[in-house]
Amino acid sequence: SQTIHQWPATLVQPVGSPLSLECTVEGTSNPNLYWYRQAAGRGLQLLFYSVGIGQISSEVPQNLSASRPQDRQFILSSKKLLLSDSGFYLCAWSFTGDTEAFFGQGTRLTVV
Amino acid sequence: GENVEQHPSTLSVQEGDSAVIKCTYSDSASNYFPWYKQELGKRPQLIIDIRSNVGEKKDQRIAVTLNKTAKHFSLHITETQPEDSAVYFCAASRTAAGNKLTFGGGTRVLVKP
Repeated sequence: SQTIHQWPATLVQPVGSPLSLECTVEGTSNPNLYWYRQAAGRGLQLLFYSVGIGQISSEVPQNLSASRPQDRQFILSSKKLLLSDSGFYLCAWSFTGDTEAFFGQGTRLTVV
Repeated sequence: GENVEQHPSTLSVQEGDSAVIKCTYSDSASNYFPWYKQELGKRPQLIIDIRSNVGEKKDQRIAVTLNKTAKHFSLHITETQPEDSAVYFCAASRTAAGNKLTFGGGTRVLVKP
């Protein structure tokens, strides 16, 4: 069976510091991978998605970037965090096609 | 791109009553419509989904209906229970767009015992 791992679960970072959140999927090959952000009490906003190694599409211009160095690894990064980057970040994966997305447990990021 | 609107934003129901959440979408090419339930501080989890070739789907106390012409779909929860209290999200996607899910803003459902 497939599993998705996302870490860390919580993170407190000062403004201006870098960020690296990692997500890995096990038990499948060539998954679609996604990064979503959820602001407090709000919906899920798609940040990046990837259909293959090195293929990244950005949905919203912002202070973040994503990379997919391996088939089942998806990394969310920032060089300098802003206060507005605070939120609940969720990694997800899906099979190619119109099937459900499976979410990781999420990372609660607080920028102070 | 796709835009999904969800109503209401909050819904309070008495235990045993029904709850209905409605969503509209803008992209007529969208062909997959899942509903997710998110409990406080946890990840969203799929509860039911429907594809564009089906008008209605039911799973025990949960049902979803889809009107492609009007571009709206709804979640129906019957005989609500306190454990149904959570935030519910609708979403839409189309296969040709990398299965990117566009989510509605969410509905906070409170079931009062």
